[in-house]
Amino acid sequence: AQSVTQLGSHVSVSEGALVLLRCNYSSSVPPYLFWYVQYPNQGLQLLLKYTSAATLVKGINGFEAEFKKSETSFHLTKPSAHMSDAAEYFCAVSDRNNFNKFYFGSGTKLNVKP
Amino acid sequence: GAVVSQHPSWVICKSGTSVKIECRSLDFQATTMFWYRQFPKQSLMLMATSNEGSKATYEQGVEKDKFLINHASLTLSTLTVTSAHPEDSSFYICSAKQTGSNSPLHFGNGTRLTVT
Repeated sequence: AQSVTQLGSHVSVSEGALVLLRCNYSSSVPPYLFWYVQYPNQGLQLLLKYTSAATLVKGINGFEAEFKKSETSFHLTKPSAHMSDAAEYFCAVSDRNNFNKFYFGSGTKLNVKP
Repeated sequence: GAVVSQHPSWVICKSGTSVKIECRSLDFQATTMFWYRQFPKQSLMLMATSNEGSKATYEQGVEKDKFLINHASLTLSTLTVTSAHPEDSSFYICSAKQTGSNSPLHFGNGTRLTVT
């Protein structure tokens, strides 16, 4: 089974600062990779996905993520944080051999300070 | 596109009663839908995978007689919490997947269930 590790359950940045949220996966075969955002009392919204095209993926709200096979990582970044980015972020993978099976990381709560 | 609607967004019920939660894919057909439970400040826990026209596949430790799942059409799955107890209080989220191996999950807005 896959595992997804998100380092840092809480990340705090100042408004305008770089956002870096980390995600590592365990599979030796690159899976499909996704980042989701969850606002309080809401479902998850897809930010971006990697499905084996370009390794640098651009998503909504100015976020992007880079797939690095050698590091088994898919870190999420945004050059300049906004207050509205404060939310919980989940990294998820699906197995190419069983693409209906999704594995979620434990989530990273992003706090943006004014 | 790819909108998933979940109702109700919140519900309060008394112990011993049953509650039904609906999940609809509004602009795509979903042969597979998923039901998750989320505890406060935790990640999502997959409860079951719902396949249109067949029985749901439950994850280990999830009581299928307590959490009844029906996926009668390509756009609708329902989760019924039967004989609810206070420990069933939680945030339940459904998701649906379009066909295609690399399609992401699209999530409903969740249902906050409180059992008194």
